[in-house]
Amino acid sequence: QVQLVQSGAEVKMPGASVKVSCKASGYTFSSNNIHWVRQAPGLGLEWMGGISPSGGNTNYPQKFQGRVTMTRDTSTTTVYMELSSLRSEDTAVYYCARRMATAACFDYWGQGTLVTVSS
Amino acid sequence: ETVLTQSPGTLSLSPGERATLSCRASQSVSSRYLAWYQQKRGQAPRLLIYGASSRATGIPDRFTGSGSGTDFTLTISRLEPEDFAVYYCQQYGSSPYTFGQGTKLEIK
Repeated sequence: QVQLVQSGAEVKMPGASVKVSCKASGYTFSSNNIHWVRQAPGLGLEWMGGISPSGGNTNYPQKFQGRVTMTRDTSTTTVYMELSSLRSEDTAVYYCARRMATAACFDYWGQGTLVTVSS
Repeated sequence: ETVLTQSPGTLSLSPGERATLSCRASQSVSSRYLAWYQQKRGQAPRLLIYGASSRATGIPDRFTGSGSGTDFTLTISRLEPEDFAVYYCQQYGSSPYTFGQGTKLEIK
């Protein structure tokens, strides 16, 4: 069965960086892009961009360009999302999600990783 | 950027009733590239509908998506206790992909 398993919760100081991992299993890793969506406490969902596991191509919205980096390791079928220059507004649950093969929506999701930015 | 506005913000209904949730886009969503998700407290979202009207794998047929252009609807024909949750629409026709702010479906 398809599974996306994320790394554990993180607490970071303002200005620091955080790197969250997402290990995929149960399907052909190269067949589906992986995207990241975050959710601030009590708020809605925000798309952060995605990566193609096969070629490593990335697609980031303008809001996060220059601050987010997505990478992948095909040997371990793991995708990483690094967010830099953290501020308090980045406190959120970060989800990885698998893009459907035929539509740019997300059919499987990780369990979420809480990132808390606080001094 | 395409802004999605969902209404109502909160919908209070009883099990067995019919729920109608609305999602309105600030510009036309190309090729009906609209999805609906269900999110329960403490859980990741779950894909219900894609392409405006296609049910995702394993989704019961009481969930129906419809609409095109700027107006989309999610209908739940007969509410089951497990359907009470927050529902989000998402457009993926143009970048950045955007989500609505959510409709909370609560038990009356």
